[in-house]
Amino acid sequence: DIQMTQSPSSLSASVGDRVTITCRASQGISSYLAWFQQKPGKAPKSLIYAASSLQSGVPSKFSGSGSGTDFTFTIRSLQPEDFATYYCQQYNSYPFTFGQGTRLEIK
Amino acid sequence: EVQLLESGGFLVQPGGSLRLSCAASGFTFSNYVMSWVRQAPGKGLEWVSSITSRGGSTYYADSVKGRFTISRDNSKNTLYLQMNSLRAEDTAVYYCAKDGPDSSGFYYHDSWGQGTLVTVSS
Repeated sequence: DIQMTQSPSSLSASVGDRVTITCRASQGISSYLAWFQQKPGKAPKSLIYAASSLQSGVPSKFSGSGSGTDFTFTIRSLQPEDFATYYCQQYNSYPFTFGQGTRLEIK
Repeated sequence: EVQLLESGGFLVQPGGSLRLSCAASGFTFSNYVMSWVRQAPGKGLEWVSSITSRGGSTYYADSVKGRFTISRDNSKNTLYLQMNSLRAEDTAVYYCAKDGPDSSGFYYHDSWGQGTLVTVSS
């Protein structure tokens, strides 16, 4: 199975900040990586697929990059509604696997 | 608008069985791969199972293989998860997800239901 290592596990930031989360795959997954946002008590929401493609309706303040084993996810100009938990997931092969999540908190 | 509505979550004893359903609307259900993803209380997301558009192929996490069965009824636009031999560690919110293709034809979870809670406890 492909292991996904996400870092950091938690992050404190202020409104207006730019933050970056990284995700590393234990083996190459080309660009078959997705990022999800989850708010407390809510279902996950798809933000990015194919490492860097923005899901329809998602603001361009969210972006992703990378291929192979190393990926990054960036949010610029943080707003209060962006404070949530973010997950990466590889969909290169079954079993699909998620990173452990990054909890983004208000400083 | 894509809508996925899970149901069937309940309190069940260890060793018991449960069947979850996911009613889909707002898209052509029979054209899409569908998946189940779960989240134990206070924990991260765990992919559970996926099924191809016509049901010809199914995939499972090792943690549920041999105990859970994914299926679909395209005439009813409904996805199912039959859960047998339930264990305490199966306690989680179970989400149904629609898997859309990216430009390379690989499928990712592009839409999610609101989830249904399964509690396994005596």
